[in-house]
Amino acid sequence: KAGVTQTPRYLIKTRGQQVTLSCSPISGHRSVSWYQQTPGQGLQFLFEYFSETQRNKGNFPGRFSGRQFSNSRSEMNVSTLELGDSALYLCASSPRQGDEQFFGPGTRLTVL
Amino acid sequence: AQSVSQHNHHVILSEAASLELGCNYSYGGTVNLFWYVQYPGQHLQLLLKYFSGDPLVKGIKGFEAEFIKSKFSFNLRKPSVQWSDTAEYFCAVNAPNGNNRLAFGKGNQVVVIP
Repeated sequence: KAGVTQTPRYLIKTRGQQVTLSCSPISGHRSVSWYQQTPGQGLQFLFEYFSETQRNKGNFPGRFSGRQFSNSRSEMNVSTLELGDSALYLCASSPRQGDEQFFGPGTRLTVL
Repeated sequence: AQSVSQHNHHVILSEAASLELGCNYSYGGTVNLFWYVQYPGQHLQLLLKYFSGDPLVKGIKGFEAEFIKSKFSFNLRKPSVQWSDTAEYFCAVNAPNGNNRLAFGKGNQVVVIP
């Protein structure tokens, strides 16, 4: 099976812009979670989608949003970018909630 | 909220030495426990997991971890490390009640010197 794929792999944006990141889960996986990884804060949970519904949300401002499509693919959006949003954004999929999560390579976002 | 503590963020050791990484979590209920590894330039991969049963779990590449419920700990061990074990190791916890929200520790950067 193909692993979790994320596009794009790298992004450079400026403050105030918005960005959309995409994630394709492993075939058959219905749960998709997003995490932010920074040197200072480590890995932090953003949100989780299961069957097109947001099931959990982390402590991030409303500028961070996401959605999941009927084919389980997911997107996350960050509006009004700030310098502090620079991070590696990881997507993970799992066949069911509570199970092992399989991570993608991430999208490296740099905000200038 | 769940929190996960990993100590000794930077670990340097020689090949053939033994490795033990500590992980403590704060959550009173039943939890699922994981150790993930991130090799240089690669994405996070699962080393091992504990859901229930035998508290000593074995994972890939000779790693094992022991769940001690009374100590809220899930420590990772490998008896003899290799240079290829150089990586960052993350402990993670979630509550299995339909929750896919992983809480990660800050990670241990392990460098193995040949």
